[in-house]
Formats: sequence, structure tokens, C-alpha cells
Amino acid sequence: DVKVTQSSRYLVKRTGEKVFLECVQDMDHENMFWYRQDPGLGLRLIYFSYDVKMKEKGDIPEGYSVSREKKERFSLILESASTNQTSMYLCASSLLYSPGRQNSPLHFGNGTRLTVT
Amino acid sequence: RKEVEQDPGPFNVPEGATVAFNCTYSNSASQSFFWYRQDCRKEPKLLMSVYSSGNEDGRFTAQLNRASQYISLLIRDSKLSDSATYLCVVRDSNYQLIWGAGTKLIIKP
Repeated sequence: DVKVTQSSRYLVKRTGEKVFLECVQDMDHENMFWYRQDPGLGLRLIYFSYDVKMKEKGDIPEGYSVSREKKERFSLILESASTNQTSMYLCASSLLYSPGRQNSPLHFGNGTRLTVT
Repeated sequence: RKEVEQDPGPFNVPEGATVAFNCTYSNSASQSFFWYRQDCRKEPKLLMSVYSSGNEDGRFTAQLNRASQYISLLIRDSKLSDSATYLCVVRDSNYQLIWGAGTKLIIKP
């Protein structure tokens, strides 16, 4: 079974703090993703990475950065946390998809519920 | 128009009944399709991939209708434990995953 581990289940931070969310996967997956999920808005992609040191912006990258120094680890950084970044953050990983491997689903960590006060 | 649309529900269904819901997608060149289930305050978990010919996994049946651009999920003999939000996911022609906002299902005893 794929295991995706997020470092914290719950976090409370103050406005302006720098916040690190860590994610580790143990299945040698090429792709890793960071989403946030808010009521009524569904899952929104922040950033993704398809290889070490590679990153691509998702739909809502503003206010976030990422780091992928090792294949198994993908970090999400909030440089200066704001109250509108209060959300559930979900990390996921998958095999690299290609025409011959289209059914490579995402496997999620159990989420980090971040509250910024 | 949203790229992937789902009826948010909630669908309130008595235990033992059959329930079905659809998910429509706008990009006709979409490559692959999935159903995920998400329990309250938990992460989404893969329920099943959706194959062109339709596929079944126990009480769950998934169908793809490319002509009308929708996928469906049918649950037979529903159980209380089926109560969850069901998320539709579509991989588009650029390999990007597009998520629906989910359909909430409540199974009542």
C-alpha cells in the first residue's frame, strides 16, 4: 500500500509566521502534489512536482512556495501566513502519467488542518 | 461553466436502496476518469477508476459515456458506511487532473 505521510495533522499559526508543511511518500512516485480544500470549493491545486527540483504552479500558487530536494519529500511553504490561508492542506503522490499509463491515480496523505489567527 | 460538475446533494437514501449520481465534464479530449470517496474531515481515497467499457467492484458500478461527456457511479444495496462525499476526477488532454466539488451521500437506517 502507498503511504503518504504529512508531518502534522493540526497546526495553529499566527499571521506573518513562516509555515512549513512536510510530506513524504514511500512508493518512489515521480509526481507529488499540494492541494487545499475549502468547503464548497473542492480541491484546488497549489503546486505540483514531477521530479526532484522540478515544480509547476497549480491554480492558486500565490502566497505559497514549494521545495523538492529529494524524490520522496515535497514541502509546502507559506512565507508569511495570512488568515485566508486557513484551510485543509492535502499532499498526494502518483506515478508519472503517460499515454501508456493514464490510470495512475493519486494517493493522499491524511491532511493538515491549518488555522492562521 | 465548470470543467467538471457534480450535483452537491445531499442525496438522502434509505439503507438497502440503490443510488446513482453523475459527473459531467466539458473537455471531450479527457483521458481518464476516477471516483474518490471522502469521509468527513478525512482525505480522499480512490474508490475506482472508470474504464471505457464500464466496470464493477462489488456493489459499485462505474460507467463512462463519452458521447454525452459524463461518468456515473451506481451503488447497490447501500450501507450506512457508504455515507460520504463522492468526488469525480477527470484527467484532461494535458494530463492535468480536474476535480469535481463532490456529491454528498447520506444513507439513513
